[in-house]
Amino acid sequence: ETGVTQTPRHLVMGMTNKKSLKCEQHLGHNAMYWYKQSAKKPLELMFVYSLEERVENNSVPSRFSPECPNSSHLFLHLHTLQPEDSALYLCASSLILVQGQSYTFGSGTRLTVV
Amino acid sequence: KQEVTQIPAALSVPEGENLVLNCSFTDSAIYNLQWFRQDPGKGLTSLLLIQSSQREQTSGRLNASLDKSSGRSTLYIAASQPGDSATYLCAVYRSNDYKLSFGAGTTVTVRA
Repeated sequence: ETGVTQTPRHLVMGMTNKKSLKCEQHLGHNAMYWYKQSAKKPLELMFVYSLEERVENNSVPSRFSPECPNSSHLFLHLHTLQPEDSALYLCASSLILVQGQSYTFGSGTRLTVV
Repeated sequence: KQEVTQIPAALSVPEGENLVLNCSFTDSAIYNLQWFRQDPGKGLTSLLLIQSSQREQTSGRLNASLDKSSGRSTLYIAASQPGDSATYLCAVYRSNDYKLSFGAGTTVTVRA
């Protein structure tokens, strides 16, 4: 384990379903991130949280809704997704939200929308 | 906006050959550059971090160089092994920006 745990590892959902992805870290980090990784594309930053406050929403559709109830947990709530949303969703954390920080990544959730 | 490009997209070599992976970025005003490894279906593991003031960084068989003025970094992996098969991504921090910009990665296959 890398220190950042993501569940579930795999998720298949229909376009009308509602599901949530979970990310947990006990590294004492104060910044957490959601990334989307599609095949052969660079990682796309979706959301950034610092000290439980959202500081970045990178033009993400409203069918993705993040939640950070405390500094150790981050959720991504999903509803009414489209097939093009199928991807690997990665959570990461860093000690603080400043440039140059080293990231710790989770193993990701492989999402398939049918 | 920082654009990060990695060429080639895929590479296959026989075991024992040295690997050379390239990364280029459009904005040379960077804070640091990082190389990551990603195994299939897994998250990213940090390999090397080069500060903008450094020219290279080494860890075991891995050596990364940085030429900030030309917007390039190269990752060298000496005497490749089948266990080196993975996707390698580079990412840069621009100065005055807390966000990492990633390349799409180079997928390496080392044949036994």
